[in-house]
Amino acid sequence: EPEVTQTPSHQVTQMGQEVILRCVPISNHLYFYWYRQILGQKVEFLVSFYNNEISEKSEIFDDQFSVERPDGSNFTLKIRSTKLEDSAMYFCASSDPVGGRTSRNTGELFFGEGSRLTVL
Amino acid sequence: SQKIEQNSEALNIQEGKTATLTCNYTNYSPAYLQWYRQDPGRGPVFLLLIRENEKEKRKERLKVTFDTTLKQSLFHITASQPADSATYLCALANTNAGKSTFGDGTTLTVKP
Repeated sequence: EPEVTQTPSHQVTQMGQEVILRCVPISNHLYFYWYRQILGQKVEFLVSFYNNEISEKSEIFDDQFSVERPDGSNFTLKIRSTKLEDSAMYFCASSDPVGGRTSRNTGELFFGEGSRLTVL
Repeated sequence: SQKIEQNSEALNIQEGKTATLTCNYTNYSPAYLQWYRQDPGRGPVFLLLIRENEKEKRKERLKVTFDTTLKQSLFHITASQPADSATYLCALANTNAGKSTFGDGTTLTVKP
């Protein structure tokens, strides 16, 4: 069964360092997302990406964050200068609302297993 | 501001019983409401989606209702099993491609 894969599974970094989290969405999906979940808290939307550009972003997604789809398969989230409060689990998701591969047109999100970021 | 409340942080039931989880929302008129399952340290897994013009949706032992007047969704798991123990998340969206806003989740424990 197709799945979203994320690397690394866990990254520890020093405050102020740059971090890149990588995701390979499900092939032929059209929409890509990043969500984060601080330990013990709810899943929060960061950004959505469609047709090689950001379609929507939250207040959390400030100038320190950026996303890129450098080739036909990878989707990355970069945090330019990490802060302590960036420590969280970051989930990549993709969806296929026009039906395509799944032909269900439900807009369901397919999540990866997450990348745990620890900022010291 | 938009608010989503999932009643009961934790719900404990006996195997074989029906679990009923609640999702209430305010200051929101979602077009779609989704339910996800999340196991500890794992990503959410999609279970069911219901649209604003649908009253009820079923999938195997799962049933979701959506009352846009009450601004509430109920999620039922019938004939519950210990393997159903997990955190269940409700998520609302305005479109089928836009952001989803998640509730805090309800942790269900099914005891044998």
